[in-house]
Parts: sequence; C-alpha cells; structure tokens
Amino acid sequence: SSELTQDPAVSVALGQTVRITCQGDSLRLYYVSWYQQKPRQAPLLVIYGNNNRPSGIPDRFFGSSSGNTASLTITGAQSADEADYYCNSRDISGDQLVFGGGTKLTVL
Amino acid sequence: QVTLRESGPALVKPTQTLTLTCTFSGFSLTSSGMCVSWIRQPPGKALEWLARIDWDDAEYYKTSLKTRLTISKDTTRNQVVLTMTNVDPVDTATYYCARTPQVFLDYYHYYMDVWGEGTTVTVSS
Repeated sequence: SSELTQDPAVSVALGQTVRITCQGDSLRLYYVSWYQQKPRQAPLLVIYGNNNRPSGIPDRFFGSSSGNTASLTITGAQSADEADYYCNSRDISGDQLVFGGGTKLTVL
Repeated sequence: QVTLRESGPALVKPTQTLTLTCTFSGFSLTSSGMCVSWIRQPPGKALEWLARIDWDDAEYYKTSLKTRLTISKDTTRNQVVLTMTNVDPVDTATYYCARTPQVFLDYYHYYMDVWGEGTTVTVSS
C-alpha cells in the first residue's frame, strides 16, 4: 500500500503530552519524517529518520516507530506547537515518497 | 545558507502545460546523495509529493501522475524544473520544492529539510 494514515485532529492541554500517529505498511520497511505546518507557511521538518531532530527543533519533539506505526510525541505542548503535522516515508515499492493525510493539533 | 524559490505562472488554463522552476542556492545537486522534490497542496488539503530528481539524474514520480509529469535539472543554473501536462482545475494548489537529502540508515531514507515558500497556481478558464 502507498498510504499513510493519520488521525485528522488531536487536541492537548497546554503543558501536557500528546502523541500523533502515522500508520502504513511501508513503515515496517522505511524510516519516517515529520513536518509541522502553520497557516500560510511552508512545512518545517521536525523529525527525520524516525527519531532525529534537525538543529533548532526543541527537544520536546520526539519521534519513534514500531511495526507499522510511527509516532510524533510532543511533551509539554506549547501554544506555538498548534499546527498541522504530516508524516512522510517511502511507499512500499520504495520508489515514491508519500505523505499522510495530516493531523491538526489544537493546544487548549 | 540553503534557500529554494519556486516560480511559475499564477494562472493556467485547463489542458495547458504548467512549467514550474525551482531556483536554489547553498547546495549542489551534483553532490552525492542530494536530491530535490516537488510537493503540492490544494487549498485546505494535505501535502502531496509529486516527484524527485537525484544527483545522479534518477527521476521518481507519483505513480498516478507519472504520465503527466517531467522533472529535470540544470546544475549550471542551480534549477530544477517540473512540467505538468494537460492541467485540470483539480491541479489548483500551492507548489513547493524542497531539498531532499538521501541518508543511509539501514535503508536509504529521504527527507525534505529545506522548503521554498511555495508558488500558488490556479487552473481556470
């Protein structure tokens, strides 16, 4: 399958921990990257290689993957973390990249 | 500093061919492991990966759009060009290009670490 499935929306109370998940058969084989997108902005890489943070990304962003499910965990969520989050990986054939449908994170 | 900038027409008529240019700086598309991807996002919808070109001239496309897309590079001008034939109103979107490094972590992994601001394309008669 070339699909990555994400929950459309998740909410978290300010300062609490939230997990955003991404499911797909290709995740058993390939690494995942995660992107944060705020309104009217280009996406921003927050995690690559399942659990690596690029320079400048706060350490409250944590990535993991097991079986067919990858997760992005945000500990101590801030209002600045309110955004759409997308996972991305190679499809099962390995030739294409594919995005999940995105998760809208609301920080209450 | 790595930057990418997309350019192209803001309005295209149905059935026409759309040509988008990504002009980049701060890296070389001749360096081993370096790639550039095109991604689009229709209004209010999710990101959609379209195509990738690698340092060794390999080209990869979203299967469902493969017959309509062509990606190419001009390393002397630091540009990557995406052409899309026979456009339709459903192709209305913001189109992004992004630097896409390849790293080896048990398998080859690709991620989009620097993005352009995007260019908005409307397909309408």
